[in-house]
Amino acid sequence: NAGVTQTPKFRVLKTGQSMTLLCAQDMNHEYMYWYRQDPGMGLRLIHYSVGEGTTAKGEVPDGYNVSRLKKQNFLLGLESAAPSQTSVYFCASTPSGGTDTQYFGPGTRLTVL
Amino acid sequence: LAKTTQPISMDSYEGQEVNITCSHNNIATNDYITWYQQFPSQGPRFIIQGYKTKVTNEVASLFIPADRKSSTLSLPRVSLSDTAVYYCLVGDPFYNQGGKLIFGQGTELSVKP
Repeated sequence: NAGVTQTPKFRVLKTGQSMTLLCAQDMNHEYMYWYRQDPGMGLRLIHYSVGEGTTAKGEVPDGYNVSRLKKQNFLLGLESAAPSQTSVYFCASTPSGGTDTQYFGPGTRLTVL
Repeated sequence: LAKTTQPISMDSYEGQEVNITCSHNNIATNDYITWYQQFPSQGPRFIIQGYKTKVTNEVASLFIPADRKSSTLSLPRVSLSDTAVYYCLVGDPFYNQGGKLIFGQGTELSVKP
C-alpha cells in the first residue's frame, strides 16, 4: 500500500512549456485534490475531484487543467507554464467528502524559468 | 468556511509541553476543528480532530472550550522531531462541498535541544 504518490518529484520548465503532474492513490479514495504551496504560505487548493470523471475548480484554478479519467489517478496540467507557477505541488485524497482526514503525497517541486 | 488565526511561530525546548492556540470566532454549529502537521519537504499529515471538550490520541491532545471560539493543540514532551508547521482548520466535514480544506499560514514550531 503506497498511499499517495506523485510523479515527478522535481521539474524545471522554461516559460511557455507544458507539462503534466501525475497523482496516484491506491486506497480506493473517491475524492482527490491538487494544492500548491508557496514560501511562507499555507496550501491553496487548485482543483479537486469528487469522483471518477468529475472535476471542479478550487481557490486558484487559473493556468491549470485537470483530468480524472481513472479513479486512482488525478492529473494536473500546465498548458503554458509561467514563472508565477513556480511552487511545490501537493496531491491529496480522502475516502469521501465526509471527513477532514486528507492523505497527502510527497509533493512535486516545480521551477519555471 | 471559518477563518482561523494562530501564531506564526513558536519556540520550545526538548521535553517541554507545547500548546498552540487557534482562534476561530466565526465557527459554525456543524464545524469541526482539525489539526495537521507538516514537516519540511513533505505533505501535511492529519494529527487530530475534535468538536468539543477534549480529544486525545497517541500524538496530541486537543482542548476546545464550551464556546468553541478557540482551540488548543497540546504536544506533550516535544522532541526535535516535532519541529514542523502546524495548521488549524475549521470546517464541516459532512457538508457536501467536496471536502475542501482551507489552510492558513500555520504555526512554525521550532524545538531546540
